[in-house]
Amino acid sequence: NAGVTQTPKFQVLKTGQSMTLQCAQDMNHNSMYWYRQDPGMGLRLIYYSASEGTTDKGEVPNGYNVSRLNKREFSLRLESAAPSQTSVYFCASRRTSGSRTDTQYFGPGTRLTVL
Amino acid sequence: AQKITQTQPGMFVQEKEAVTLDCTYDTSDPSYGLFWYKQPSSGEMIFLIYQGSYDQQNATEGRYSLNFQKARKSANLVISASQLGDSAMYFCAMMDRGSTLGRLYFGRGTQLTVWP
Repeated sequence: NAGVTQTPKFQVLKTGQSMTLQCAQDMNHNSMYWYRQDPGMGLRLIYYSASEGTTDKGEVPNGYNVSRLNKREFSLRLESAAPSQTSVYFCASRRTSGSRTDTQYFGPGTRLTVL
Repeated sequence: AQKITQTQPGMFVQEKEAVTLDCTYDTSDPSYGLFWYKQPSSGEMIFLIYQGSYDQQNATEGRYSLNFQKARKSANLVISASQLGDSAMYFCAMMDRGSTLGRLYFGRGTQLTVWP
C-alpha cells in the first residue's frame, strides 16, 4: 500500500517548456488535489477533482491544467513554464465516506525549478 | 481574508519538555474540521491530528493533543515530551465541511526546533 505517489521528485525546466506531473493513489479515494508550496506561504490549492471525471479550479489555477485520468490518477500539466511556477508541488487525496472522511493524505512532493 | 493564522514563525523547546504551537482560524461555517500536519526537512506532509467542530472532546493522538477552544476560534497543537525527531515545520489547516470542495486552507507554518 504505497498511499499517494508522485513523479518526478525533482525537475528543472527552461522557461517555455512544458511538462506533466503525475500523481496516483491506491487508497480508493474519490477526491484528489494539487497544491503548491512556496516559501513562507503554506500550501495553496491549484486544482481539485471531487470524483472521477470532474475537475475544478482552486485558488491559483493560472498556467496549469489537470486531467483526472481515472479514479487513481490525477495529473498536473504546465503548458509553458514560467519562473513564477518554481515551487514544490503536492498531490493529495481524500476519502469521502467512512470514519475519517475529511483527512487528506499527501504525496512526497515534486520540487520544480523553472530557469 | 486569511482563514488560518499561525503567529509563531519559530519555536524552540528542550527535549522532553512540552510545547504549544498556536493556531487561530476564521470561518462562518458551523461545520468544519481542523488539522495539523508535520513537514520534516525531507519535505513530506505528515498528518498528525484532526478535530471536528462538533467534537465534544479535544483530539489526542499519542504525544499530540489539540487544545480546541471554539469560542476563541483557536486550535493549538500541544506536543508532550518533545523528541529531537519532532524538529520540523508544523502546519495548521482547516476545511469548511459545508463546501463540497473539501479543500484545505493552510497557515504559514511554525518551525519547531527541539534541542538536547
